[in-house]
Amino acid sequence: DGGITQSPKYLFRKEGQNVTLSCEQNLNHDAMYWYRQDPGQGLRLIYYSQIVNDFQKGDIAEGYSVSREKKESFPLTVTSAQKNPTAFYLCASSFGTSGSGDTQYFGPGTRLTVL
Amino acid sequence: EDQVTQSPEALRLQEGESSSLNCSYTVSGLRGLFWYRQDPGKGPEFLFTLYSAGEEKEKERLKATLTKKESFLHITAPKPEDSATYLCAVQANSGYALNFGKGTSLLVTP
Repeated sequence: DGGITQSPKYLFRKEGQNVTLSCEQNLNHDAMYWYRQDPGQGLRLIYYSQIVNDFQKGDIAEGYSVSREKKESFPLTVTSAQKNPTAFYLCASSFGTSGSGDTQYFGPGTRLTVL
Repeated sequence: EDQVTQSPEALRLQEGESSSLNCSYTVSGLRGLFWYRQDPGKGPEFLFTLYSAGEEKEKERLKATLTKKESFLHITAPKPEDSATYLCAVQANSGYALNFGKGTSLLVTP
């Protein structure tokens, strides 16, 4: 089945630790995205990547890092520099086409809690 | 700056009681407006993409419409399984990212 997988579903981090969230897709999509969701707020863009080996910062990139070494994978690292990392993290992907709207499809999410 | 405002924040309906959710937006050139459904603890599920004013799309009990300033998600004769948070997002001509509203939490009671 085609889709987007995220792991782990739940993640607990101690203060000062870096943690990496996994996102994999088998939809043959070129573009991938990371969003953060907090209660009472809309989804906010952290990073996005239109092609392999290239990525751009979103609105709230500070304290996060990404890599895009393979088309199928876009891992997100939450570093110790991120001051308030407790949130629900969502990965998405799309064909990355220009012109009319490019629909993004979301994975099931990872809930990160700082202990 | 692009903005998306959804109203109401929360809506409670009786089963079978039709209603509409609103998404008002300002964007510097619209590539697309998107509706998603999100259940608690899960990722958003894609519902519709609308591209230009006057466009309408339907899926089961849901119908999405678009004007130059807002979109409506009409829910006809809702059932309890329609209970979820409905998210609206816009994509501007200038980029690829989606700008989301805060969502409308819908509860349909039997």
